[in-house]
Amino acid sequence: AQSVSQHNHHVILSEAASLELGCNYSYGGTVNLFWYVQYPGQHLQLLLKYFSGDPLVKGIKGFEAEFIKSKFSFNLRKPSVQWSDTAEYFCAVNARMGSGYALNFGKGTSLLVTP
Amino acid sequence: KAGVTQTPRYLIKTRGQQVTLSCSPISGHRSVSWYQQTPGQGLQFLFEYFSETQRNKGNFPGRFSGRQFSNSRSEMNVSTLELGDSALYLCASSQTGGSTDTQYFGPGTRLTVL
Repeated sequence: AQSVSQHNHHVILSEAASLELGCNYSYGGTVNLFWYVQYPGQHLQLLLKYFSGDPLVKGIKGFEAEFIKSKFSFNLRKPSVQWSDTAEYFCAVNARMGSGYALNFGKGTSLLVTP
Repeated sequence: KAGVTQTPRYLIKTRGQQVTLSCSPISGHRSVSWYQQTPGQGLQFLFEYFSETQRNKGNFPGRFSGRQFSNSRSEMNVSTLELGDSALYLCASSQTGGSTDTQYFGPGTRLTVL
């Protein structure tokens, strides 16, 4: 079955620590991949996206993600987290459905950054 | 440019009632998608509309329905509410709903069913 898996459900880091959130997908063919973030009390926002080309994509607020086709992975990274990065992070695949497309999300990873 | 707006932001209903939620997409966006977010199931796709036509639908019962108007605004309706329908309902818009389109999300409508 087509799915998106996020391995870490809850992550706690200290400020300045490095972050890597795992995302694996099981889809055949071309995939369009997204990372969204939901800050406390705010709506979902796009962090970054990958369609083709350079597998290392950079997003907002210093985030980046690497697409590794052979591993069906699209892991999110940030070299040094800040308290303001506390949020829930969602990986998603934009998958063909019917005559359109729909985002298929992972279950999310809740990140808490402590001072 | 104004973002996606959803009304109302909060709703409290009782079992058996019906509810209508509204979504206004970003100006110029013609595709509107709806998602349900719950702690247990996460974010699940409900349906997507483009040019007043439903193009796809997620795995939800027929009690969940929607429509889109000529100005791209969309509504979703849930009839015969059940306790399990309590959730945050998110609307997202994109230009055409294509494979590489970015979906922009609204703040959501928090529905509580008592």
